[in-house]
Amino acid sequence: EVQLLESGGGLVQPGGSLRLSCAASGFTFSNYAMTWVRQTPGKGLEWVSAISGSGAATYYADSVKGRFTISRDNSKNTLYLQMNSLRAEDTAVYYCAKRSISRAPGPLDYWGQGALVTVSS
Amino acid sequence: EIVLTQSPGTLSLSPGERATLSCRASQSVSSSYLAWYQQKAGQAPRLLIYGASSRATGIPDRFSGSGSGTDFTLTISRLEPEDFAVYYCQQYGASPIYTFGQGTKLEIK
Repeated sequence: EVQLLESGGGLVQPGGSLRLSCAASGFTFSNYAMTWVRQTPGKGLEWVSAISGSGAATYYADSVKGRFTISRDNSKNTLYLQMNSLRAEDTAVYYCAKRSISRAPGPLDYWGQGALVTVSS
Repeated sequence: EIVLTQSPGTLSLSPGERATLSCRASQSVSSSYLAWYQQKAGQAPRLLIYGASSRATGIPDRFSGSGSGTDFTLTISRLEPEDFAVYYCQQYGASPIYTFGQGTKLEIK
């Protein structure tokens, strides 16, 4: 059974940093690109960042480019999102999600339960 | 960047009725790389439809997707109480970069 479990969310002051983790199990982690998607309270879904299976390629939304860093440790089956210079507008539930297909365009077939990040003084 | 516009914003229907949700893209979605997700309050999104018309594993056949190019539709043939939720379309032609629509809330009338 595929499972994705996020951790590391919490309350942080504007300008602060936080690192999210997503522990994966039930599939060959290194074969799949992974993604972070966020959802602001009461709003829609926003793609944040993605990383290839090997970790060699990374992608960012313009809203987080230069502030967030995605990475993965395939030996630990874990995905990370390092968030620096946090702003109030980064307050959201952050989901990690798995691409459904290994080496072709595909939707997101498994999602974690989400980690709440609150940026406030 | 492809922009996805969903309509209506809110749809009020009764159990047993048919629901039709629309997703329009600002430019053609290549190879029908269009997916639909369902999200219930406090839960993560769940994949319903991919490739515009293929149901994901375990999705009941009352859910169907159609369309191509710039116009796509999610149809729920006979609404069950558990179907009332928010629905999002997503294009994944540039995967692993994704674009989502703003969502349609399906509420009980």
